[in-house]
Amino acid sequence: DAGVIQSPRHEVTEMGQEVTLRCKPISGHNSLFWYRQTMMRGLELLIYFNNNVPIDDSGMPEDRFSAKMPNASFSTLKIQPSEPRDSAVYFCASSLGQTQYFGPGTRLLVL
Amino acid sequence: AQSVTQLDSQVPVFEEAPVELRCNYSSSVSVYLFWYVQYPNQGLQLLLKYLSGSTLVKGINGFEAEFNKSQTSFHLRKPSVHISDTAEYFCAVSANFGNEKLTFGTGTRLTIIP
Repeated sequence: DAGVIQSPRHEVTEMGQEVTLRCKPISGHNSLFWYRQTMMRGLELLIYFNNNVPIDDSGMPEDRFSAKMPNASFSTLKIQPSEPRDSAVYFCASSLGQTQYFGPGTRLLVL
Repeated sequence: AQSVTQLDSQVPVFEEAPVELRCNYSSSVSVYLFWYVQYPNQGLQLLLKYLSGSTLVKGINGFEAEFNKSQTSFHLRKPSVHISDTAEYFCAVSANFGNEKLTFGTGTRLTIIP
């Protein structure tokens, strides 16, 4: 099993640019989660999907952030326009039941 | 809603000494409890979980945790630590019904001193 796959692993961009983070969950899992990790705020849940449907997006910081899950094997998190305060590590996790399995993360730096 | 408190942000321990990382939770409903470990520059890896049954849960790498409902705690223990245990440890809780949303604590950084 390949585990949760995220791309890119690192992203450096300039303020105002659009950033797209990608996630492939573990095959057969029906829930997918996007988290953001920073030193100041720790690990925050941004949004999660169940059977490709967004269930709770209350953690999405503002309208600049959007997430989609067009099918069971792919999800994106988009930031447009990006700002320096969006710099963080973004994790995707998937689950079938109660246990979440995390990807390696995308380290985003917005200059 | 649930919440998790990890009182110790940093714990230094000598190699081969025992360690306990504390976790307390708050919830108005029954819960599932988890410990995750994050090694430097990596994602979170599940150490162990309590879903039901025996309150003493054994996980990977020699770690174990005990669910104490009366004290609303789920402390993580290891009898003898190794240099390779240096990492950040996160306690997490979810309600045991409905959605699978996890609430994480702020983490405890475990540093092993040679």
